[in-house]
Amino acid sequence: NAGVTQTPKFQVLKTGQSMTLQCAQDMNHNSMYWYRQDPGMGLRLIYYSASEGTTDKGEVPNGYNVSRLNKREFSLRLESAAPSQTSVYFCASSETTWYQETQYFGPGTRLLVL
Amino acid sequence: DQQVKQNSPSLSVQEGRISILNCDYTNSMFDYFLWYKKYPAEGPTFLISISSIKDKNEDGRFTVFLNKSAKHLSLHIVPSQPGDSAVYFCAASGTSGTYKYIFGTGTRLKVLA
Repeated sequence: NAGVTQTPKFQVLKTGQSMTLQCAQDMNHNSMYWYRQDPGMGLRLIYYSASEGTTDKGEVPNGYNVSRLNKREFSLRLESAAPSQTSVYFCASSETTWYQETQYFGPGTRLLVL
Repeated sequence: DQQVKQNSPSLSVQEGRISILNCDYTNSMFDYFLWYKKYPAEGPTFLISISSIKDKNEDGRFTVFLNKSAKHLSLHIVPSQPGDSAVYFCAASGTSGTYKYIFGTGTRLKVLA
């Protein structure tokens, strides 16, 4: 039982390049989330998916797109990377979006945009 | 506007002593609070939570206290151990809709052996 896995662990991009961050969970959770963490700031929600086939914007969605490929997988895409997107990205999952649900986080992807 | 604030970016405590981590919030609609612990190069892991119907919740060495009138919560770790050295995030959510957690900026705890 791996929990939440993320690939890659680390990535360097040039401004304007695109990439997709992958996330998978094996806990049969319905809900999945993408956060970013920046120095001096808490984790901020980018997008979330309450269930397979649905996605919704979070606090900071601009510059990102997501795909809930199936129940297990939720990917985050940067179409044209910008230096402001340099951050650590965390994927998380929970059984539902009920506000008292515990979220389980992946190990993170560290992204540097030059 | 930071709705959840952790005003101490870092804290050092001697092993065996009490660690007290603080968190303040501004939104009176928040009624559920959590603490997450994060080691370097790992994702946050859930530690303990408290609902606004309580003012205290204990789990082993960890106790969270909630003061609703002051909009303040604190995490007590007794006794502190070197393995507790990590970044601690508090998070808050409310019943205004479905999920939405607001995280604080984190406090780095260092427990000195």
